[in-house]
Amino acid sequence: GNSVTQMEGPVTLSEEAFLTINCTYTATGYPSLFWYVQYPGEGLQLLLKATKADDKGSNKGFEATYRKETTSFHLEKGSVQVSDSAVYFCALTSNTGFQKLVFGTGTRLLVSP
Amino acid sequence: GAGVSQSPSNKVTEKGKDVELRCDPISGHTALYWYRQSLGQGLEFLIYFQGNSAPDKSGLPSDRFSAERTGGSVSTLTIQRTQQEDSAVYLCASSLEGVQAKNIQYFGAGTRLSVL
Repeated sequence: GNSVTQMEGPVTLSEEAFLTINCTYTATGYPSLFWYVQYPGEGLQLLLKATKADDKGSNKGFEATYRKETTSFHLEKGSVQVSDSAVYFCALTSNTGFQKLVFGTGTRLLVSP
Repeated sequence: GAGVSQSPSNKVTEKGKDVELRCDPISGHTALYWYRQSLGQGLEFLIYFQGNSAPDKSGLPSDRFSAERTGGSVSTLTIQRTQQEDSAVYLCASSLEGVQAKNIQYFGAGTRLSVL
């Protein structure tokens, strides 16, 4: 079945550092890929998405590129802020049938001033 | 309302009691999903509704779990004879449709269930 693997956390960075959170997936066909973020005490929010190979999703300075050859969708940001501290989830949906999300385990990011 | 609304936000219950969790999706969204977030299992899919029917119930962990949706809107997730392993955050999401890859799922803040 479909699955998502993402790096374990916590990831601890200083403000303005470069961020990478690795995500790889296993799926049949051509899934859509997502990054969701969960800020402390809040619900899941969509951060960015990509629906086909080589697409780049971007939002709030975060980027991720859909790499079919490496089955990856790594999240990057050039300069993190304290307000980026949250849990980040990589997820996919199949492009056939119903669009239930399959999530990775989540990666907690802690950014210190 | 503007977003997906879930109630209650927190629920503490005793083992063996039944609980009902409510989800109010975004107006006009035909697809509704329930997920569970727990320490041991991460985020896992429970059930999907398209309108009032549930074509995918594959994630419900046991027959103690059931869900319904009425009027193509509000959904209720019921857990009978709760067990301690049911303790988790139950998340509801809705989207315009369920079968288009570009449709985005919008999540509620969740109901934190604690079974003592």
